[in-house]
Amino acid sequence: NAGVTQTPKFQVLKTGQSMTLQCAQDMNHNSMYWYRQDPGMGLRLIYYSASEGTTDKGEVPNGYNVSRLNKREFSLRLESAAPSQTSVYFCASSWAGEETQYFGPGTRLLVL
Amino acid sequence: QQQVKQSPQSLIVQKGGISIINCAYENTAFDYFPWYQQFPGKGPALLIAIRPDVSEKKEGRFTISFNKSAKQFSLHIMDSQPGDSATYFCAVSGGSQGNLIFGKGTKLSVKP
Repeated sequence: NAGVTQTPKFQVLKTGQSMTLQCAQDMNHNSMYWYRQDPGMGLRLIYYSASEGTTDKGEVPNGYNVSRLNKREFSLRLESAAPSQTSVYFCASSWAGEETQYFGPGTRLLVL
Repeated sequence: QQQVKQSPQSLIVQKGGISIINCAYENTAFDYFPWYQQFPGKGPALLIAIRPDVSEKKEGRFTISFNKSAKQFSLHIMDSQPGDSATYFCAVSGGSQGNLIFGKGTKLSVKP
């Protein structure tokens, strides 16, 4: 039982490049989330998916897109990376109606 | 507008001492108050949580104190150990805000 897994662990991009961060969970959770963590800023919600087939914007969605591929997988795409998107990205999941979220190990992204 | 304010930003405690981290919120509709613990290089994990129908919840050395009238809650770590060194995040949810809103985090260092 791996819980929430994220790939890649670390990535360096040049400004303007695109990439997709992958997230998968094996806990049969309905809801999935993408956060970014910056020093002194806490965890900020980028997008979430309350259930398969739905996605909604969080606090900081600009510059990102998401896809809920199936119940297990939720990807985050940066179409044209900017240095301001340098951050640590966390995926999380939870059962529908349950507040407890289970986090993945994170992806460290550096945009030059 | 910051919906949850966490303090202090960093905290140094001697082994065996008491660590206290505070959070304040504005929206009285919030009804779920968790604390997450994050070790370096890892994702956050739920440590302990409380609902407003009780004023205190204890799990081992970790206690949440909740003051509904003051709109504040705090995490107390008794007999702090070097292994408790981590970043701690408070969060809130409830009312029209179904998702967790995190504080900015407190970096705790417990010195041996």
